[in-house]
Amino acid sequence: ETGVTQSPTHLIKTRGQQVTLRCSSQSGHNTVSWYQQALGQGPQFIFQYYREEENGRGNFPPRFSGLQFPNYSSELNVNALELDDSALYLCASSLGGIGGYTFGSGTRLTVV
Amino acid sequence: AQSVSQHNHHVILSEAASLELGCNYSYGGTVNLFWYVQYPGQHLQLLLKYFSGDPLVKGIKGFEAEFIKSKFSFNLRKPSVQWSDTAEYFCAVTPSSGSARQLTFGSGTQLTVLP
Repeated sequence: ETGVTQSPTHLIKTRGQQVTLRCSSQSGHNTVSWYQQALGQGPQFIFQYYREEENGRGNFPPRFSGLQFPNYSSELNVNALELDDSALYLCASSLGGIGGYTFGSGTRLTVV
Repeated sequence: AQSVSQHNHHVILSEAASLELGCNYSYGGTVNLFWYVQYPGQHLQLLLKYFSGDPLVKGIKGFEAEFIKSKFSFNLRKPSVQWSDTAEYFCAVTPSSGSARQLTFGSGTQLTVLP
């Protein structure tokens, strides 16, 4: 079985720009979650998608948005980037949110 | 909303020493509990999980954890650590019911094992 793959692995953006991060879920998984992991901290939940609909959101502003596609791959979009958005962004997939989550290696975003 | 507290931010041990990492959670309902490990430069990997049943859970690489419901704790243990166990360890919790079972993580414990 394939794991969770994320692209790109590293990205540098300028404050105010927009960014799109991508995630391919593990085969058979229909739920995808996105997390932000700042340096020295645990991952923080951004939002979750189940069958192409958002079904949970953490304490992140609306400029963080997402999509899940029919093949269960997913995107995280961040508008109007701020310096504090610099972090490792993790994607995790699961089967209905049950049984544990499989994480990708993440995208390291640096905002300058 | 749930929360997770990991008391030890950095633990330094010599090889063959025993390990116990503390984890306490706060949530009003029943939960599923997880320990993840993040080796340097690698992705989060599941060490073990507790959903129900025997509160003593055995995971990969010789790790185990005990769920003590009365203490809201899920401490991670290993009898004898190895240099290769050097990594960051995260405790996490999700509600055991409901549609949005997002993981809530603790802040992590950095384990350094000296050869």
